[in-house]
Formats: sequence, structure tokens, C-alpha cells
Amino acid sequence: DTGVSQNPRHKITKRGQNVTFRCDPISEHNRLYWYRQTLGQGPEFLTYFQNEAQLEKSRLLSDRFSAERPKGSFSTLEIQRTEQGDSAMYLCASSPLTGYSSYNEQFFGPGTRLTVL
Amino acid sequence: AQKVTQAQTEISVVEKEDVTLDCVYETRDTTYYLFWYKQPPSGELVFLIRRNSFDEQNEISGRYSWNFQKSTSSFNFTITASQVVDSAVYFCALSESNTGKLIFGQGTTLQVKP
Repeated sequence: DTGVSQNPRHKITKRGQNVTFRCDPISEHNRLYWYRQTLGQGPEFLTYFQNEAQLEKSRLLSDRFSAERPKGSFSTLEIQRTEQGDSAMYLCASSPLTGYSSYNEQFFGPGTRLTVL
Repeated sequence: AQKVTQAQTEISVVEKEDVTLDCVYETRDTTYYLFWYKQPPSGELVFLIRRNSFDEQNEISGRYSWNFQKSTSSFNFTITASQVVDSAVYFCALSESNTGKLIFGQGTTLQVKP
């Protein structure tokens, strides 16, 4: 396993369309995080899973956004009725759950760059 | 509220100069972890270092060194003898204690010119 992978790497869509991104974490990593990064800013937390359970969602995650992690393996992030403000880089990260939870470094994928026209 | 501030938006140096990237954080947690990540032009965030709130000992790794000062809530990063390959955006981040989620600063863009 060489790391976290994300697909697609780039997605261009028209406003109002639905899009879905996939993240494959490092095997056996219990935690999976989604972040959004806009130009010139640091990544912002969206949501995270511990195994298959979604434990927290940011206020940034409107009801047009939904994320799943079936069977605690890969995760998908879907955006419905995309808006131009959704244009950003969507980053996925995974980490093991050992010891103190905030100790573990997160391993990031290459991201999916979304452009909404 | 938890917050990370990187006041330097962009820094430009000439190769072989030393450069320090500043990071100031706010948290109410008594136990917390701080991180530095590098984001090269390719876009993928690369982990550089982790530091816990109980360990204020400075750390050196090759040309990289980190100065953690709890009294001033700062976790600064110094690159000695900078190289062109160090050009990237550098992020400081604070880890939330229960969830492990990262709160990032806005990043500092470092440009090292030959």
C-alpha cells in the first residue's frame, strides 16, 4: 500500500450537477478525514469517520454534501446541485487510531480539484 | 476556540539563506499536538513534524529545526541553508484532542531563489 489515493484527480462540472469523489485510505487506518482547501487558504475540516461511523460534520458541510464510508474502507463524498462556491481542492486523509487520538499524524491523498462552471 | 495563525503570507529568500516560518496557536486543551506540513507545487501535503504540548525541547532534523515555546504559544520552523527544493507552502496545524482533526493556519509560501 503506497498511501492514500483519491479519484478523480480533477473534475469539471456545470453548476447544478452532482459529483462524487472517492478516497481510498491506507489499509487498516481507522480514521478518515475530509478537508476542503480553497486557493491561498489552509485546508478546512469537513467531516471524519472512525471505521464506518461518521462522528463529526463541520458547519461547512451543507445539506448538499454527504459522505459515506461503507464497511470502514473507502469513502465517498458527494456534492449535490453544485454551486460555483464549491470549487476547491477536496483532500482526504487517514490515520491510525492508536493511543491518544490527536497524536497520530494524518496521511494525505493528492486531492480532487473541483471546478464548477 | 482553537486557532492557528501564520502571519507571514509569503517569504522570498536566496538559496543558502536561513529562514524562519512563524506559527502562533490558541487552544484551551491542556494536552494537544502541533504539526507542520509541506505542500509542494504538486499539491500533496507532506508531514514534517509532530510535537506534543508536554515536550518543549527543540528538535533538529537535518536542515530543519523547530522551536516550541508554550509560554508564547508559538511553534516556529527554521530551515537552515535553504535550497530551491524547499520552495513550497508550509502549514502549521493544531490537532483537536478528541477527534484528531487538524486546524490549519493559512500557510506561508516560501520561495527560494537560486
